[in-house]
Amino acid sequence: DTEVTQTPKHLVMGMTNKKSLKCEQHMGHRAMYWYKQKAKKPPELMFVYSYEKLSINESVPSRFSPECPNSSLLNLHLHALQPEDSALYLCASSADRGPTSYGYTFGSGTRLTVV
Amino acid sequence: TQLLEQSPQFLSIQEGENLTVYCNSSSVFSSLQWYRQEPGEGPVLLVTVVTGGEVKKLKRLTFQFGDARKDSSLHITAAQPGDTGLYLCAGAGRGNKLVFGAGTILRVKS
Repeated sequence: DTEVTQTPKHLVMGMTNKKSLKCEQHMGHRAMYWYKQKAKKPPELMFVYSYEKLSINESVPSRFSPECPNSSLLNLHLHALQPEDSALYLCASSADRGPTSYGYTFGSGTRLTVV
Repeated sequence: TQLLEQSPQFLSIQEGENLTVYCNSSSVFSSLQWYRQEPGEGPVLLVTVVTGGEVKKLKRLTFQFGDARKDSSLHITAAQPGDTGLYLCAGAGRGNKLVFGAGTILRVKS
């Protein structure tokens, strides 16, 4: 299995809602990432988990809360989002912490719309 | 702050034409990767270059890493409509972070 699976593929939520994005990989990768991507722009790093511990938080607002229940799963809990948070949220994994010769494997993303 | 300048930002060409995308920095990167992304999908890794001066070929795509490991190029020969997408270069920067270029939107018309 060489995939990163993200669910849901699309999500529409109100500004008072609480929702979660899910990411799963079974490649044995020990580093997992959340990225945010606006249309026609490069992905922006949000969080990095290494060996199930949060190692990097790129000054992301607290309305985004990551969680890594085990080495295969990564969640992003959303609460009280703003319309400007609408974007494609990408999960990625790599064999170890940081970009190595093996690169990152990205999921297909969750298209989030905040209304 | 490590930056990767990618050019051109947009490229619209006819099927069969050749093109080159450039990625430049004043910083040295331990490795550099190229990704291709289609609308509504995540980036897909095309290649990783590690050694200065390295050249890698993937069918009609040729990737080169500069001798000083500060720049890279992607050359596509005889572009096809299926090559259409967002091309991203990304460098392995300090703190084990992936530094992305701004991306090149390529459209190949048939």
